[in-house]
Order: sequence, then structure tokens, then C-alpha cells
Amino acid sequence: NAGVMQNPRHLVRRRGQEARLRCSPMKGHSHVYWYRQLPEEGLKFMVYLQKENIIDESGMPKERFSAEFPKEGPSILRIQQVVRGDSAAYFCASSHGQGSDTQYFGPGTRLTVL
Amino acid sequence: GENVEQHPSTLSVQEGDSAVIKCTYSDSASNYFPWYKQELGKRPQLIIDIRSNVGEKKDQRIAVTLNKTAKHFSLHITETQPEDSAVYFCAASKGGYQKVTFGTGTKLQVIP
Repeated sequence: NAGVMQNPRHLVRRRGQEARLRCSPMKGHSHVYWYRQLPEEGLKFMVYLQKENIIDESGMPKERFSAEFPKEGPSILRIQQVVRGDSAAYFCASSHGQGSDTQYFGPGTRLTVL
Repeated sequence: GENVEQHPSTLSVQEGDSAVIKCTYSDSASNYFPWYKQELGKRPQLIIDIRSNVGEKKDQRIAVTLNKTAKHFSLHITETQPEDSAVYFCAASKGGYQKVTFGTGTKLQVIP
């Protein structure tokens, strides 16, 4: 029973490039959440998606960031024209049902912007 | 929206002592309160959760209490061990299509 999968685990990008982070939820889970974590800091909510729908994107920066969770395939968090301040660990979590269902986290993608 | 405050931000205890971490939430409609443990460089992992229809839940050395009237909940770790050293996050959710709001974390250090 595979858990939440994320890839890549480490991603290095130069300023101005694009970063694509992938998240495959646990089997049977249809809800995905993305969080950003800076070193020594907490988990900042970014976006909550259900298959083919964005439920809550209140934590997403207005520019350069987008997320999707297509009918088939993983959820993708896309960061365009990365800047040094985007360097962080990005975690996704999945749940079987709605907000009060337990979220299980993936191992995270550590993005470094040079 | 929901606001979750967590205290203390750091906590040092001697091995074998108890540790208590406290959280408050703002939205009285919140009904689900999970706790996560995150070791350095690892993913957050659920250690215990409680729903609003119960006041206390225990799992071996870990217990969580919930006071709905005061809108606060606490994590209690007894007989602490060095492997309990980690950052602990509380969280709250209203359920439905509502996100989970996390506290700012408590860095627990258990001194051997």
C-alpha cells in the first residue's frame, strides 16, 4: 500500500526557470493539499484540490504559481520564473475525503533556486 | 478564517519527564484536531487526532485533550525519550471542503 509519492525529491533551478513538482496521492484518495515549508518554519497552506477542481487556493501567490489535479495522473504544482525566495520544501498531502479526514504527507520536494 | 496558535515554540525536557504542548483555535465550528510529528528533514507524520465529540484520547505515551468551550487542545507526552525529539504541529479543521489550518510548531528536545 504505497503512501503519498512526490517527485523529484530534490530540484535545483536557476532564477527564471520553471519548476514542476509532482504528487501522487495514496490509492483511493481524491483530495490533495500542497504546503510550503521554509527552514525552521511551519507548514504554510497553498492550495487544496480535488480531481479536476481547485477547492481552495487562498494560500497561493497570485503570480507565477499554479496547481492542477487532472482526472488521470498526479497533481502538479508549477512555479514559473522561479526566484531565490521560492527555495523551500514543498509537501503535498492527500486524504480520502473532505477537510476533516486525515491527511497523509508525502516526503516533500526540496527546491533550491540558484 | 481559522487561526491556530501554538505554545511554546521550543521545549526542553529531561528524559523521562512529561511534555505538554498547547494550542488554541478561533473558529468554534472546527471539529477535527490532528497532531503531527516532524523529524529533521522528514515528512510530517500523524501521531494522534481527536474529534469534537470526545474530550480526551490516549495512545500509549501520547494523549490529547480538547476543551471546546475554551477552544483549546493539548498534546501530552509522558515518559519522554530522546526519539521524541522533533517538531510537533497541531492543526484544526471544520470539515467539509475546508482546509486544515496548522499551528506554528513546537520544537521539542528531550535531553538524555
